[in-house]
Amino acid sequence: DTAVSQTPKYLVTQMGNDKSIKCEQNLGHDTMYWYKQDSKKFLKIMFSYNNKELIINETVPNRFSPKSPDKAHLNLHINSLELGDSAVYFCASSPLFGPQHFGDGTRLSIL
Amino acid sequence: AQSVTQPDIHITVSEGASLELRCNYSYGATPYLFWYVQSPGQGLQLLLKYFSGDTLVQGIKGFEAEFKRSQSSFNLRKPSVHWSDAAEYFCAVAYTSGTYKYIFGTGTRLKVLA
Repeated sequence: DTAVSQTPKYLVTQMGNDKSIKCEQNLGHDTMYWYKQDSKKFLKIMFSYNNKELIINETVPNRFSPKSPDKAHLNLHINSLELGDSAVYFCASSPLFGPQHFGDGTRLSIL
Repeated sequence: AQSVTQPDIHITVSEGASLELRCNYSYGATPYLFWYVQSPGQGLQLLLKYFSGDTLVQGIKGFEAEFKRSQSSFNLRKPSVHWSDAAEYFCAVAYTSGTYKYIFGTGTRLKVLA
């Protein structure tokens, strides 16, 4: 039974489109995260929610908007996709300050 | 600003040799410390964590790490590396100083020679 699941696994789309990535966790954790990993494997945190409240909001373009309908879900919506958005996006969950459990990633390619 | 430094971008070792991956952090108090491993095409997996207590912590896959407060370090070690250990390794810290932070290092890519 998958602990942190992301959909879709692959996303290929054109510049200017709007897309969403969904994340769900069944671990009962209070905190969820979105990360962007670039081609050099650098992992950058984007957002974090604790009990549906935004607690980390790093400097990312406002084209990126997270939504947490409940503490088991954290979705990422991206407007007006750009070439530089191509990356692997990881969702994770944890107890606050605790070890994180990661999903397998969503590989986003912008044509 | 608080940071996590992994000074080695790449490390190559022979199978059976010992391994040490370095991690230094800058933060006034002791943060929560973690090591993660990422195999190609996968998400990150927790190897071990340090919150408090014994400064030598044991993790999965035969890894251990030692917290040294005086050096602000949390180095990862393994006495004998296996070919399957080839992967990317990330050190991470979590802390709060009014706001909650969780910071990853830039990673160390481990290559294992047969």
